[in-house]
Amino acid sequence: EPEVTQTPSHQVTQMGQEVILRCVPISNHLYFYWYRQILGQKVEFLVSFYNNEISEKSEIFDDQFSVERPDGSNFTLKIRSTKLEDSAMYFCASNEREREKLFFGSGTQLSVL
Amino acid sequence: TQLLEQSPQFLSIQEGENLTVYCNSSSVFSSLQWYRQEPGEGPVLLVTVVTGGEVKKLKRLTFQFGDARKDSSLHITAAQPGDTGLYLCAVPNQAGTALIFGKGTTLSVSS
Repeated sequence: EPEVTQTPSHQVTQMGQEVILRCVPISNHLYFYWYRQILGQKVEFLVSFYNNEISEKSEIFDDQFSVERPDGSNFTLKIRSTKLEDSAMYFCASNEREREKLFFGSGTQLSVL
Repeated sequence: TQLLEQSPQFLSIQEGENLTVYCNSSSVFSSLQWYRQEPGEGPVLLVTVVTGGEVKKLKRLTFQFGDARKDSSLHITAAQPGDTGLYLCAVPNQAGTALIFGKGTTLSVSS
């Protein structure tokens, strides 16, 4: 079965540094998402992206966050100036059509020190 | 308050036992999904239920959507160690553009 691929699997960074988390969604999918899961807490929606623009974002997705689809395959999440509370597992997801089966990547574990 | 309340939070059982986990809300949903998440992995969709009262079976797993479409249950028959994981329920947000997850039930099945 096709997979959503995320890199790196682990990222350690210093507070205040910028990080870019990368995702390669499934090739024929059109809708892309970022979710995060703080240790021991629920999976939380960050942002959805379609047709090269953000379609929806949550309260968590403030000005420190941005997403981009720089080419035909990659989908990135940038955190401009990381905070300790940004430490979490970040999941990329995609689907072919909205409201259809969502495929998640294996996640990037971000640790902000 | 959480939109979706999942219970129990933790469940530890022996291989061969049956179990039921629940996902409850005071809101009505157009659909509800169940996911299973293993450590270090992303959630994997198990099933989507759409119709009130609907029952879906996936091998030893039986999913039911409440008649009023406010709650759901997942029943596992003869649990196996391979069933170990975090079971999450999720519903679409009002716009249908994102999923809202419950906190999940962590299931541990020992042999």
